[in-house]
Amino acid sequence: GIQVEQSPPDLILQEGANSTLRCNFSDSVNNLQWFHQNPWGQLINLFYIPSGTKQNGRLSATTVATERYSLLYISSSQTTDSGVYFCAVVYGGATNKLIFGTGTLLAVQP
Amino acid sequence: EAEVAQSPRYKITEKSQAVAFWCDPISGHATLYWYRQILGQGPELLVQFQDESVVDDSQLPKDRFSAERLKGVDSTLKIQPAELGDSAMYLCASSLMPSGGPKQETQYFGPGTRLLVL
Repeated sequence: GIQVEQSPPDLILQEGANSTLRCNFSDSVNNLQWFHQNPWGQLINLFYIPSGTKQNGRLSATTVATERYSLLYISSSQTTDSGVYFCAVVYGGATNKLIFGTGTLLAVQP
Repeated sequence: EAEVAQSPRYKITEKSQAVAFWCDPISGHATLYWYRQILGQGPELLVQFQDESVVDDSQLPKDRFSAERLKGVDSTLKIQPAELGDSAMYLCASSLMPSGGPKQETQYFGPGTRLLVL
């Protein structure tokens, strides 16, 4: 099956710093989503981005499907950005199940 | 903004007891998913419905887990009997298009049910 790996596994930032999270996948995908899981466990949709670049406020994402990776950029980080960031992909098969990556745990300190 | 609803939010039970979780997807969404997330890991699919039919339940432990979506709207996931290893977050998600349709669409997740089996 497909492998979805994220880096770094852990990241500690000071408030106001910028960061880049990476998602590598081992096969062609039909769908790629970025999620933020807050400390209460809620998975929040950030981007649906199977290819190209999107921006939403302080967050932006780029997926280069031909090279099988996606990047999530967080600028001017805030303490509320803390949590786990997952990328998830849909590939092949008859179902649309999401295959989640290994996650990046982000802690933003005041 | 429409959201996926789940209840209960938290459930503590003893092993060998039965538990049930409920999910109400976003109105009009044909596809409903149940995922399980063990602490420290990403969610993994347990079962996928298109309307009232099961599309994928290959990862559902069928000896103890069951799921239904009788009218093609809300869904119930049941565990009987619960085991210690079932302690996890159970997440429900929904998407607009039916399975077999375009795969390029967003899945929306509910707040989850956090289960602790003692």
